[in-house]
Amino acid sequence: DQQVKQNSPSLSVQEGRISILNCDYTNSMFDYFLWYKKYPAEGPTFLISISSIKDKNEDGRFTVFLNKSAKHLSLHIVPSQPGDSAVYFCAASSTSGTYKYIFGTGTRLKVLA
Amino acid sequence: KAGVTQTPRYLIKTRGQQVTLSCSPISGHRSVSWYQQTPGQGLQFLFEYFSETQRNKGNFPGRFSGRQFSNSRSEMNVSTLELGDSALYLCASSLEAGYQPQHFGDGTRLSIL
Repeated sequence: DQQVKQNSPSLSVQEGRISILNCDYTNSMFDYFLWYKKYPAEGPTFLISISSIKDKNEDGRFTVFLNKSAKHLSLHIVPSQPGDSAVYFCAASSTSGTYKYIFGTGTRLKVLA
Repeated sequence: KAGVTQTPRYLIKTRGQQVTLSCSPISGHRSVSWYQQTPGQGLQFLFEYFSETQRNKGNFPGRFSGRQFSNSRSEMNVSTLELGDSALYLCASSLEAGYQPQHFGDGTRLSIL
């Protein structure tokens, strides 16, 4: 049972444009969500998070949107840069439950120069 | 501040052997989680330790075990290795439970021949 889903395995975007990565979840107990970026041969790097009391969180070029009713979150990268090319994972956890993080399968973003 | 350190980075074993992987969390972090990453499967949660106690466990067979020491360092052991155990094993640490991002090491690449 995949509780966190990233339905797009890959995405290509032109440099300077917006990248939108999507993530859906099924467990309504999840209340903390994160995005990670992963380069080959390195561990995932934390990018940005959002708790369920918010619907938007911004950090520089990265913005995460949360739609609780749709159980959907998205990561916007504006403007996209070639260095953003990586695999992006979303993750979710329930802070009142088991504290474990459930990860999606990842989306490979390629930013074209 | 030193990040999460995993040793060794690469390991080659044969079927039937056992292996121990090590993880040193960021100083002050008490929660350590282990994940298995295989192509197309994302990060599969193995287990999480907090203050030397296993607090969460994923859906892996009993051949996978772990422990945490009083200094928060953690080890993961896999016995009777199978070909399907070939994967990148990632360790992540965080300060406490709740609204805390996990910080990952660069992983141990385990290859089973």
